[in-house]
Amino acid sequence: SQTIHQWPATLVQPVGSPLSLECTVEGTSNPNLYWYRQAAGRGLQLLFYSVGIGQISSEVPQNLSASRPQDRQFILSSKKLLLSDSGFYLCAWSTGVDEKLFFGSGTQLSVL
Amino acid sequence: EDQVTQSPEALRLQEGESSSLNCSYTVSGLRGLFWYRQDPGKGPEFLFTLYSAGEEKEKERLKATLTKKESFLHITAPKPEDSATYLCAVDRGNDYKLSFGAGTTVTVRA
Repeated sequence: SQTIHQWPATLVQPVGSPLSLECTVEGTSNPNLYWYRQAAGRGLQLLFYSVGIGQISSEVPQNLSASRPQDRQFILSSKKLLLSDSGFYLCAWSTGVDEKLFFGSGTQLSVL
Repeated sequence: EDQVTQSPEALRLQEGESSSLNCSYTVSGLRGLFWYRQDPGKGPEFLFTLYSAGEEKEKERLKATLTKKESFLHITAPKPEDSATYLCAVDRGNDYKLSFGAGTTVTVRA
């Protein structure tokens, strides 16, 4: 069966520090991978998605970047965090046949 | 622009008190509508996919229905463990993206 791992679960970082969140998927090949951000009381905002290694599409111009160095690995990064980067970050995958998403457990990021 | 609107924002129910959540959408060429359950501090968990008007799906006390403009999630005789935020999302089918609503937070009191 397929599983998705996302870490860390919580992170507190100072403004201006770098960020690296990692997500890996097991039990499937060539998944579509996604990074979402969820603000309190708001819907999920798509940040990045990838349909293959090295292929990244950005949805929202911002202080973040994503990379897919391996088929089942997706990384969200920032060189310098802003206060506005605080939020709940979710990694997800889909088969690409339809867009039914399977989510990781999320990372609560607080930038202070 | 595609829009997905969920109502109400919050719903407080007594155990056993059935109710419905609404998800209305304005999407051209709907390919699928998804319902998710999200517990506090967790990632959303997939519940249902609906593809065409008139379709219904059931799981335990939950039943999802779809029309051409909206979807309903019916909760029959809810229990406290049904307390969660329920999200709906639509797939237009012409890209790899889902559009999510803001969710309905359901609280079921014993």
